[in-house]
Amino acid sequence: QMQLVESGGGVVQPGRSLRLSCAASGFTFSRSAMHWVRQAPGKGLEWVAVIAYDGVNIYYAESVKGRFTISRDNSKNTLYLQMNNLRTEDTAVYYCARISKEYLAAVPLDCWGQGTLVSVSS
Amino acid sequence: IQLTQSPSSLSASVGDRVTITCRASQVIGSYLAWYQQKPGKAPNLLIYDASTLHSGVPSRFSGSGSGTDFTLTISSLQPEDFATYHCQHLNSYFLTFGGGTKVEIK
Repeated sequence: QMQLVESGGGVVQPGRSLRLSCAASGFTFSRSAMHWVRQAPGKGLEWVAVIAYDGVNIYYAESVKGRFTISRDNSKNTLYLQMNNLRTEDTAVYYCARISKEYLAAVPLDCWGQGTLVSVSS
Repeated sequence: IQLTQSPSSLSASVGDRVTITCRASQVIGSYLAWYQQKPGKAPNLLIYDASTLHSGVPSRFSGSGSGTDFTLTISSLQPEDFATYHCQHLNSYFLTFGGGTKVEIK
């Protein structure tokens, strides 16, 4: 069955960096566009970034643009989120999620990871 | 595009019919999905394209609407349905979600 497993979360001071990973299995990772979505404690879901199957087309939410970088390694079936210059408002559970299309498309997120918690605090 | 869900929370009993609404700030056709999220867990897809039931989702869940107004209905609430429900605008990028509706036990 399809599975996504995030890792790399933790406690970090404001201004520091962190890299999240998302390991995929049970489906052809190289044929799926991938998203990162986050959820601050007690809050709703906020979209962060998306990357197409080949890593060419990438988009970011305005709140993270210029600080976060999404990337993927199809040979390792792994998605990444490099987070630089972290702010307290970046504190959230970060989920990776896939769509069933190679290219960016208006289709649902049909598989989500269990999430990894990032806590930004001094 | 902003999505406004109502109510933000509700209390209901097992067997009740429950309706949650999601209103879009612009016309979005049928590009809407619904997710269920239980505490400490990731969201799970329930419905997409406003009314299409995702594989494996019980038939007591249904979705309707188009344009700007959408509803999620649970025809007979079951114990495992107590959770938070999120709507989402289906888009290639710049995805948006509603604020969520928490369904609690009365």
